[in-house]
Amino acid sequence: KQEVTQIPAALSVPEGENLVLNCSFTDSAIYNLQWFRQDPGKGLTSLLLIQSSQREQTSGRLNASLDKSSGRSTLYIAASQPGDSATYLCATTGTASKLTFGTGTRLQVTL
Amino acid sequence: DVKVTQSSRYLVKRTGEKVFLECVQDMDHENMFWYRQDPGLGLRLIYFSYDVKMKEKGDIPEGYSVSREKKERFSLILESASTNQTSMYLCASSLAGEGNQPQHFGDGTRLSIL
Repeated sequence: KQEVTQIPAALSVPEGENLVLNCSFTDSAIYNLQWFRQDPGKGLTSLLLIQSSQREQTSGRLNASLDKSSGRSTLYIAASQPGDSATYLCATTGTASKLTFGTGTRLQVTL
Repeated sequence: DVKVTQSSRYLVKRTGEKVFLECVQDMDHENMFWYRQDPGLGLRLIYFSYDVKMKEKGDIPEGYSVSREKKERFSLILESASTNQTSMYLCASSLAGEGNQPQHFGDGTRLSIL
């Protein structure tokens, strides 16, 4: 059974810093890996999706990498802003389009 | 943009009641999903559906059932609500395709069972 782990559980950084969020998974037989953002009391917003054949995806200040063989993904956020404060979730997609989620990293960007 | 709408943001019900949570998507997606989210446990899949009138159990289906009579609507039913079903419920949808389509989520329903 797939297990997805995100470390750290919480992170606080000053505005302007570059930061990396980590995601690891136990079963490398995935179709893709997806990064989401969740604001308090809200649903999930998809940020980036990396297909299993890809190594990375970029969107604006966000860059996600995927190393299937080692079971790792990272989300890099450049020049962080207070508006980036949220919980970030990674999820792997296995058979039947089923997602397995990590428990998230709660990010706070301070002024 | 894909729009996934959940009928209620907050809902309070009593133990033993039959509870319906509704989800509608406007992008003609084949796949629809119901998750619950609990602190420390993350999101867990309850049920999903590939097509009208089709349903599959997820990881935690006990105490729940679902209905998909129309492509755009996927309902989650708590047959006899219990306090351990107090949670945040999230609906999602995606296009068909073996795992290569992103899932789009609604804003969630925070359900309290008293």
